[in-house]
Amino acid sequence: SQELEQSPQSLIVQEGKNLTINCTSSKTLYGLYWYKQKYGEGLIFLMMLQKGGEEKSHEKITAKLDEKKQQSSLHITASQPSHAGIYLCGADSPNSGGSNYKLTFGKGTLLTVNP
Amino acid sequence: GAVVSQHPSRVICKSGTSVKIECRSLDFQATTMFWYRQFPKKSLMLMATSNEGSKATYEQGVEKDKFLINHASLTLSTLTVTSAHPEDSSFYICSAGGGNSVTQYFGPGTRLTVL
Repeated sequence: SQELEQSPQSLIVQEGKNLTINCTSSKTLYGLYWYKQKYGEGLIFLMMLQKGGEEKSHEKITAKLDEKKQQSSLHITASQPSHAGIYLCGADSPNSGGSNYKLTFGKGTLLTVNP
Repeated sequence: GAVVSQHPSRVICKSGTSVKIECRSLDFQATTMFWYRQFPKKSLMLMATSNEGSKATYEQGVEKDKFLINHASLTLSTLTVTSAHPEDSSFYICSAGGGNSVTQYFGPGTRLTVL
């Protein structure tokens, strides 16, 4: 089965600082998803990467997938308190039961941004 | 992005009772819905995959008779926790996907507390 390892487990940064969260897969990724979760709430979809070397950005968040499709990074530039939360990477694998792929998640990275 | 709702957001029940959680896709037709469980400070664990009009596919170790899943329409899936016990207390999150999109959109979650 596919396993995802995220690092670091937790991160505390000062507002305005840049940071990077990593996600490493034990197998080649079909697709890599990044989600953000506030404690006790649902997940907010951030970005999906599928192609080796792909990079996507949304506002101050940039996600990259390496050429071998086994590692992804999430980079936040000039962090703000609103960026605080739990960041989860998820990898999909074929779901034999239906048309959508089921996701396996990393354990998450807890980000705290101090004002 | 697509909107997925869950109801109720919180529920407290007595041991031995059954609890039903609803997951609705509000602005798209969800051919597949997923149910996850999340323990404090842990990642999401997939419980089952439900496809509209067919039986749910349960992950290994998940009791199908205890966690009843119904996906009667393209916009609604329900999870019923039967004869709930304190160890069933957890955060339950659903996600929905459909059409040509492989992206899953998550509901806000339901916190179940069994006394």
